[in-house]
Amino acid sequence: QKEVEQNSGPLSVPEGAIASLNCTYSDRGSQSFFWYRQYSGKSPELIMFIYSNGDKEDGRFTAQLNKASQYVSLLIRDSQPSDSATYLCAVPSGTYKYIFGTGTRLKVLA
Amino acid sequence: DAGVIQSPRHEVTEMGQEVTLRCKPISGHNSLFWYRQTMMRGLELLIYFNNNVPIDDSGMPEDRFSAKMPNASFSTLKIQPSEPRDSAVYFCASSYRGRVPDTQYFGPGTRLTVL
Repeated sequence: QKEVEQNSGPLSVPEGAIASLNCTYSDRGSQSFFWYRQYSGKSPELIMFIYSNGDKEDGRFTAQLNKASQYVSLLIRDSQPSDSATYLCAVPSGTYKYIFGTGTRLKVLA
Repeated sequence: DAGVIQSPRHEVTEMGQEVTLRCKPISGHNSLFWYRQTMMRGLELLIYFNNNVPIDDSGMPEDRFSAKMPNASFSTLKIQPSEPRDSAVYFCASSYRGRVPDTQYFGPGTRLTVL
């Protein structure tokens, strides 16, 4: 059983809309959650992280945690074509290892 | 900061040849990770070093793969002999273990094609 799961997509949204990406995790004790963005042919880059004690907003990006249902969401407001990428969720496992989801591909349509 | 540096960026080789991938982590980071990414399996952790010492190599596929970190600023991942199924993008990432959060920063990757 995978420990971090994401819908592979593609998730298509029109420009200016809100894109909502979800990630479910199996370890109920997880304390932090990371979102990486990966453009085609590029490396993953960190865009946000949150702790289990609350949601976080950073510009057009908001990360929300639902502990009861064990999922974390990434909301992108006012989506732009430049947001088109694959978004990877990562959850620490143990003291150093990240478990990465396989990513959700987002397409923002102009 | 220059970020994590990897070389080569692209490598095309023939089955049976030795391949060496190189990584320079971010200065001051004490943890280094080698990942492999494929469409089918996503990002897989191959090996983790802390303070130049291999801590977890459980993800290394088989004896054909080996990794070294002779000092804090350099690591290699070697495949000998290479096989077509090794074709993937290999990423090196570094972090500072002890900082909260322990964020991993990725290099640009090496796209390996084994013919």
